[in-house]
Amino acid sequence: DAGITQSPRHKVTETGTPVTLRCHQTENHRYMYWYRQDPGHGLRLIHYSYGVKDTDKGEVSDGYSVSRSKTEDFLLTLESATSSQTSVYFCATEQGGYNEQFFGPGTRLTVL
Amino acid sequence: AQSVTQLGSHVSVSEGALVLLRCNYSSSVPPYLFWYVQYPNQGLQLLLKYTSAATLVKGINGFEAEFKKSETSFHLTKPSAHMSDAAEYFCAVRGAGGTSYGKLTFGQGTILTVHP
Repeated sequence: DAGITQSPRHKVTETGTPVTLRCHQTENHRYMYWYRQDPGHGLRLIHYSYGVKDTDKGEVSDGYSVSRSKTEDFLLTLESATSSQTSVYFCATEQGGYNEQFFGPGTRLTVL
Repeated sequence: AQSVTQLGSHVSVSEGALVLLRCNYSSSVPPYLFWYVQYPNQGLQLLLKYTSAATLVKGINGFEAEFKKSETSFHLTKPSAHMSDAAEYFCAVRGAGGTSYGKLTFGQGTILTVHP
């Protein structure tokens, strides 16, 4: 398995506060992804990165921003958290060329 | 555009019975298809993938899936269920071109329960 860690694993925060989730990989994979998982919706892509400083929006990007300053780190920021952003967030990495995506353990975020 | 529909949000089988989880996809280009499994409080793990080679794909833990272009289906099967198969299963399609290039689109998930 690709070495993917996410931090924090659990977080409770209040509406209106900024939150940053971190994904760290040790496999030197080029592509990285942030998904959110909600019951009945499967996983939905928030943002993705195809290289250092190269990022793009997914299908549910409103209210989120990302940054990738190093190959191994991909940060997801909720600029002003809302209750609708309560979810489980997964990071994934991919080597490229239609290879499989490897998933991290997830971060459970609760916005009160 | 691409999409995935998993028929049945919950499937319940007895230990030793056939497992059949249904997945239909929509894609404007030849798809790459995946099945992932998620155990409680864990991330997703790849079970198997179809990438335009053999239409019958074998995966881990005794699972297999058959790509049927005429039916736009990629159903997951296992001849004999085991208690350890209880998990949530996700079908996903990946675009090979256009605006869907490289992006995975997931189905809603199917929770498999295995009874003794």
